[in-house]
Amino acid sequence: EAQVTQNPRYLITVTGKKLTVTCSQNMNHEYMSWYRQDPGLGLRQIYYSMNVEVTDKGDVPEGYKVSRKEKRNFPLILESPSPNQTSLYFCASSRGTGAPLSGYTFGSGTRLTVV
Amino acid sequence: DAKTTQPNSMESNEEEPVHLPCNHSTISGTDYIHWYRQLPSQGPEYVIHGLTSNVNNRMASLAIAEDRKSSTLILHRATLRDAAVYYCILSASNYQLIWGAGTKLIIKP
Repeated sequence: EAQVTQNPRYLITVTGKKLTVTCSQNMNHEYMSWYRQDPGLGLRQIYYSMNVEVTDKGDVPEGYKVSRKEKRNFPLILESPSPNQTSLYFCASSRGTGAPLSGYTFGSGTRLTVV
Repeated sequence: DAKTTQPNSMESNEEEPVHLPCNHSTISGTDYIHWYRQLPSQGPEYVIHGLTSNVNNRMASLAIAEDRKSSTLILHRATLRDAAVYYCILSASNYQLIWGAGTKLIIKP
């Protein structure tokens, strides 16, 4: 089944303790992206990657890191999490980087709580 | 970047067609119009996208105004499972999606 898999689904952590949220897709998609979703603010893009070793900042990159060493994986790293990073996170992937854009496939989400 | 305007919420009766409007008066010539929906407690789901011509797929139809300043997502026969937040999104030239607040669609049995 074609899918984007995020782990973990739920995570509670303490301020300052480094964590990684994994994202993997099995569709050979070039494009991958991370979003956070907060009440009243909608989905905001954190980072995106157009292909292996190519990443760029989205709208809210502060406090996050990403890497794209393999095509299928795009982990989100929080080096020193803070309470304002408590949010619902989504990973997404898409075929190709040129027009016409194909639909994006989203993961099921990771609910992160930083205390 | 071009933005979209959607009603905050809409109600419809089950098994009736639903027309979800979206205004995007500042759309550029290369912007595609995408529609996604998000069911409760799930990630967004792709519905349909188009550039200039009307589009149909198994989930919905997309009607695009001739001047491209507005579009309408049409669900031909709504079911309770279609209750979700529907997002109308323009694709920017750097392939980032610009998400608005969406329209919460309520389906009444």
